[in-house]
Amino acid sequence: AQSVTQLDSHVSVSEGTPVLLRCNYSSSYSPSLFWYVQHPNKGLQLLLKYTSAATLVKGINGFEAEFKKSETSFHLTKPSAHMSDAAEYFCVVSDRSGTASKLTFGTGTRLQVTL
Amino acid sequence: DAGVIQSPRHEVTEMGQEVTLRCKPISGHDYLFWYRQTMMRGLELLIYFNNNVPIDDSGMPEDRFSAKMPNASFSTLKIQPSEPRDSAVYFCASSLRRGNEQYFGPGTRLTVT
Repeated sequence: AQSVTQLDSHVSVSEGTPVLLRCNYSSSYSPSLFWYVQHPNKGLQLLLKYTSAATLVKGINGFEAEFKKSETSFHLTKPSAHMSDAAEYFCVVSDRSGTASKLTFGTGTRLQVTL
Repeated sequence: DAGVIQSPRHEVTEMGQEVTLRCKPISGHDYLFWYRQTMMRGLELLIYFNNNVPIDDSGMPEDRFSAKMPNASFSTLKIQPSEPRDSAVYFCASSLRRGNEQYFGPGTRLTVT
């Protein structure tokens, strides 16, 4: 079984300051991990993915995430927030060794960026 | 590639009417997924297909919901009869292989009055 926990439902940062969105996962097998972003009234867009290559993954719009197996974490970071980063972010896990094809979504973290 | 295409983008209908949502996956993708998103329940997987065959429909709420995939480039999600509690945003997504990242369409916002 697999699961993902997003530790904060809401994060607020000032423009130009760092962003940290936290995610912990649980998986019986070697997982694939993803971060998706959803802007208001839009679909989900893939930010980045981890599939057992480099543990530090770079994504679009300056975001990156680090896979830490010992901590079962996959936190999303960005050095400097921009107003356009305000959105809902979802951490997602996929069990690559299992038979199912489902992704398990976290409950989301709403990022607010203030001036 | 145009990405996943969904139609209509918005649908407003009266309770009891039939609603059909449409999806065109990314060409070459073997998997197609239907999701529903609401404020109360978040993102829920309804059903998914592999090579046009339904694999898991355990998320389909009840018999009023049905989904088909007659060919690799088209799928429908039908609600009959519709109820106000079906109001939500319905997303279609596709992926290349099992466990890979999924690419989402823009969604269909359904309002049942």
